[in-house]
Amino acid sequence: QSVLTQPPSVSGAPGQRVTISCTGSSSNIGAGYDVHWYQQLPGTAPKLLIYGNSNRPSGVPDRFSGSKSGTSASLAISGLQAEDEADYYCQSYDSSLSGYVFGTGTKVTVL
Amino acid sequence: QVQLQESGPGLVKPSETLSLTCTVSGYSISSGYYWGWIRQPPGKGLEWIGSIYHSGSTYYNPSLKSRVTISVDTSKNQFSLKLSSVTAADTAVYYCARDRGDYSFYFDYWGQGTLVTVSS
Repeated sequence: QSVLTQPPSVSGAPGQRVTISCTGSSSNIGAGYDVHWYQQLPGTAPKLLIYGNSNRPSGVPDRFSGSKSGTSASLAISGLQAEDEADYYCQSYDSSLSGYVFGTGTKVTVL
Repeated sequence: QVQLQESGPGLVKPSETLSLTCTVSGYSISSGYYWGWIRQPPGKGLEWIGSIYHSGSTYYNPSLKSRVTISVDTSKNQFSLKLSSVTAADTAVYYCARDRGDYSFYFDYWGQGTLVTVSS
């Protein structure tokens, strides 16, 4: 019952820049709640990648950046590397559901 | 370094209750923060189940609220999940995580996850 919509897949060659969109509504992103991003490598638990729309936890490369505008947010990966192949999820809070909501997920493929 | 580890049965029969425990190390639950459960059906996306504050107050996903109970045991530095009347649709990897509901509503530390299969 994802209320945040992401493209199912994006791909790029090594070194390229890719972006992943996350579209919400007036009860979550548009209401001013922050957007956060997680990276899930194959067979592993999700890992916090971006918090508070654009902040990177310690240890996350600055190739990863986040932004938010209106009812949407984006994750950009610059200088794409083979190790970036993973699933990426956005997440926010929804006031009408009174709880956390995740995006549908995007698989990033490095060509 | 905060670490979380899920434990519990990997197989549960339909209509029974799923029970999991998350043991936290590197941080005392009684010191603060919220603590949450998230699940991921095989090949699918993430779904938040619910969270608990160190004091014991809870908030649940409305779609699961009638079947979920989350509790905390600060003496053991653990928190637990019970999901009743399970069906095959509850088959998933279950993760526990530290919930930054005190700040900006996100999960900063995650357990490795445990697969729970609902089958007779």
